[in-house]
Amino acid sequence: QKEVEQNSGPLSVPEGAIASLNCTYSDRGSQSFFWYRQYSGKSPELIMFIYSNGDKEDGRFTAQLNKASQYVSLLIRDSQPSDSATYLCAVNGEAAGNKLTFGGGTRVLVKP
Amino acid sequence: GAVVSQHPSWVICKSGTSVKIECRSLDFQATTMFWYRQFPKQSLMLMATSNEGSKATYEQGVEKDKFLINHASLTLSTLTVTSAHPEDSSFYICSALDDGETQYFGPGTRLLVL
Repeated sequence: QKEVEQNSGPLSVPEGAIASLNCTYSDRGSQSFFWYRQYSGKSPELIMFIYSNGDKEDGRFTAQLNKASQYVSLLIRDSQPSDSATYLCAVNGEAAGNKLTFGGGTRVLVKP
Repeated sequence: GAVVSQHPSWVICKSGTSVKIECRSLDFQATTMFWYRQFPKQSLMLMATSNEGSKATYEQGVEKDKFLINHASLTLSTLTVTSAHPEDSSFYICSALDDGETQYFGPGTRLLVL
């Protein structure tokens, strides 16, 4: 079983709609959770991080964390074609030091 | 925001030669940097953790004598691919850890070994 799981997609979303991405993790001791966006051929760029249960909003992005259920999600509101990319969920486990465990990524396609 | 640079952005070399890639944190100090490799349509694979002033820690299956890492200052880590072969062709990406737990990635270096 993979330590961090994401649906590979593609997740097809009409422009202006909400894209909802999910990520589950196996290490119950995980402390920190990150969402990165990676455009094709480019390196990942940080969207946001979340440490506590609940919601965290930053512009059009909202991260949601539920440690009891071991999942973290990312909502993208008012999706734009420029949001088309692969979204990587990353988890910093309790025993991992500062190493991140990445999910396989979800490819998002926003159609005009 | 935190900025990390890499140089070169791409390199083509002949089989058997060595290639050095630099990773710099431009506006913050990074005691710890990470080196990743990514093959087409695959996820990031952590190669090693680079700690300033000490030996790097390599992930299982990564040859430390082939991928030499030096982290001589708080803003610079280098990865040298020694005796490169075509199978080493990949996208090499570094990241730098800020004061907290957040990794910021460099733009990556595309290596093609002929």
